Amino acid sequence: DTGVSQNPRHKITKRGQNVTFRCDPISEHNRLYWYRQTLGQGPEFLTYFQNEAQLEKSRLLSDRFSAERPKGSFSTLEIQRTEQGDSAMYLCASSITGVMNTEAFFGQGTRLTVV
Amino acid sequence: DAKTTQPTSMDCAEGRAANLPCNHSTISGNEYVYWYRQIHSQGPQYIIHGLKNNETNEMASLIITEDRKSSTLILPHATLRDTAVYYCIVRGIGGSNYKLTFGKGTLLTVNP
Repeated sequence: DTGVSQNPRHKITKRGQNVTFRCDPISEHNRLYWYRQTLGQGPEFLTYFQNEAQLEKSRLLSDRFSAERPKGSFSTLEIQRTEQGDSAMYLCASSITGVMNTEAFFGQGTRLTVV
Repeated sequence: DAKTTQPTSMDCAEGRAANLPCNHSTISGNEYVYWYRQIHSQGPQYIIHGLKNNETNEMASLIITEDRKSSTLILPHATLRDTAVYYCIVRGIGGSNYKLTFGKGTLLTVNP
């Protein structure tokens, strides 16, 4: 499968624990995005990488959230000291830079439940 | 990015055409109209995009009005697998216009 891969697909954690999600983008895609989606809402932008550089972070990304993309390949999103409000679907997407922006391809997401 | 307005939900009979409207009255000249859909418990899937000309691909057709203030996504022969939330998004081109701003979309239910 050459699409965007996210692991794990589901994560249940206790409040206060740290969690880390992984995203493997489409191999030639240099742009990588994280979005968050709560029930009944559309996805909301969290952060964006071009290669290994994190170029934008949404205000939604509190200091408990950190994302990395070492070597410009896979990315991780870590949430420290999870809260119940962090329960959501976390989506990763990737795209390639071109003359104009191409469409983004999304992974299946990681559904986080904080209990 | 310009704001979009879509109906909350729509129904369509299997095998018939599904026509999903979107209003984007504040769209500017360099902004494209994108459509994505999200089947339950999956990530969003790109469908089609256009600037001002009508576009067609293997999934759908996109009709943009001449004044570009509205558009319609057409699924010519809807199947049960087309049941999903459909998002209409307006986005500029160029390096800084990389993120997608999703609204709540239209839940299309295709009925047998």
